[in-house]
Amino acid sequence: DTEVTQTPKHLVMGMTNKKSLKCEQHMGHRAMYWYKQKAKKPPELMFVYSYEKLSINESVPSRFSPECPNSSLLNLHLHALQPEDSALYLCASSQEGSGRRRLYNEQFFGPGTRLTVL
Amino acid sequence: GENVEQHPSTLSVQEGDSAVIKCTYSDSASNYFPWYKQELGKGPQLIIDIRSNVGEKKDQRIAVTLNKTAKHFSLHITETQPEDSAVYFCAASGLTGGGNKLTFGTGTQLKVEL
Repeated sequence: DTEVTQTPKHLVMGMTNKKSLKCEQHMGHRAMYWYKQKAKKPPELMFVYSYEKLSINESVPSRFSPECPNSSLLNLHLHALQPEDSALYLCASSQEGSGRRRLYNEQFFGPGTRLTVL
Repeated sequence: GENVEQHPSTLSVQEGDSAVIKCTYSDSASNYFPWYKQELGKGPQLIIDIRSNVGEKKDQRIAVTLNKTAKHFSLHITETQPEDSAVYFCAASGLTGGGNKLTFGTGTQLKVEL
């Protein structure tokens, strides 16, 4: 299995709602990532998990809360979002290593969740 | 931090012609440079990558070159086909405390016309 899956494909939510995005991979990767992508822009890194521990938070607002319950799953909990948070949310995974081996590990992306905040 | 510039932002070529996309990066510590293709409504797909100890890499119609001294790398697509039409992103990678942090270029919209 060489695939990263994401659910749901589309999500519409109000500013007072609480929702979650889910990501799953079965490639044995121990690094997982959340990216945000606005239209006609490159992906922007939000969070990185390494061995189920948060290793990078790119100063993301607290209304986004990541969770990595096990090595195959990654969640993004959403609460009190703003309309400007509407975007494509991408999950990715890669092997993990140490030193330069980590540097060279390919990241594989899922298809994304298209989020619309009303 | 790392900064990656990408040119051109749009590129139109005739089917069968070659396409070249260029990127520059700022952090001399970056050592891994992947290229992604993103079709409409899909996630980015890795198409080729190059590591700092290699100057050129080729995979069928796609090639990437790297000049570490000048801090730039390029994607070359030969014999373009309509299915090559997509947005292409270059990226550069630096070591972090965990995971592999990619910094993306701004993207190139490639259109292959019949």
